[in-house]
Amino acid sequence: AQSVAQPEDQVNVAEGNPLTVKCTYSVSGNPYLFWYVQYPNRGLQFLLKYITGDNLVKGSYGFEAEFNKSQTSFHLKKPSALVSDSALYFCAVRGRATSGTYKYIFGTGTRLKVLA
Amino acid sequence: DTAVSQTPKYLVTQMGNDKSIKCEQNLGHDTMYWYKQDSKKFLKIMFSYNNKELIINETVPNRFSPKSPDKAHLNLHINSLELGDSAVYFCASSPRGGASGIETQYFGPGTRLLVL
Repeated sequence: AQSVAQPEDQVNVAEGNPLTVKCTYSVSGNPYLFWYVQYPNRGLQFLLKYITGDNLVKGSYGFEAEFNKSQTSFHLKKPSALVSDSALYFCAVRGRATSGTYKYIFGTGTRLKVLA
Repeated sequence: DTAVSQTPKYLVTQMGNDKSIKCEQNLGHDTMYWYKQDSKKFLKIMFSYNNKELIINETVPNRFSPKSPDKAHLNLHINSLELGDSAVYFCASSPRGGASGIETQYFGPGTRLLVL
């Protein structure tokens, strides 16, 4: 089965504190993993992706994510949260479409709230 | 100079009507997508076209028909609208090789469809 799980509906963190948004996945073969952010009434914006190579991936707006193959996880992190980081975050993994080609499978999203 | 644009932004209509949503990308990308985001923010792919060829059709009712007149445009026509079609519909595009599933996707701002 191919799936992505984001176990937390919401994460609250104080401004200036480190943040983590969790993601675990299940796919066959090599995992290709993505993080996107959605601000209110906007489309999704790409943050970062893991295709191969270094397990620590750096992305936009100071975010990074750590790929852990043994734990099948790809958690999103930031050392110091900003109020402007408050948004909805989606993890995605490459999966197989019914047509046999590839598609993104998205998690259910985690709402991040950074408190001033 | 919006990269991926959608029209209209909002669409309110009665059950049973037929409506279309248009999408255009000026990024020179080969692959375009339609996603549906429901009221719980679940995001699922509906269709994908690669160079005007349909490559993904994910268990979407026949009432939904995508059309790609050229690789910069992907329109979505919906017949006999139902209450359950109310959602936000996002168009996206990705560069050459988007069908590989590892390319970054660029999302439009979304079309909010409300069926009464």
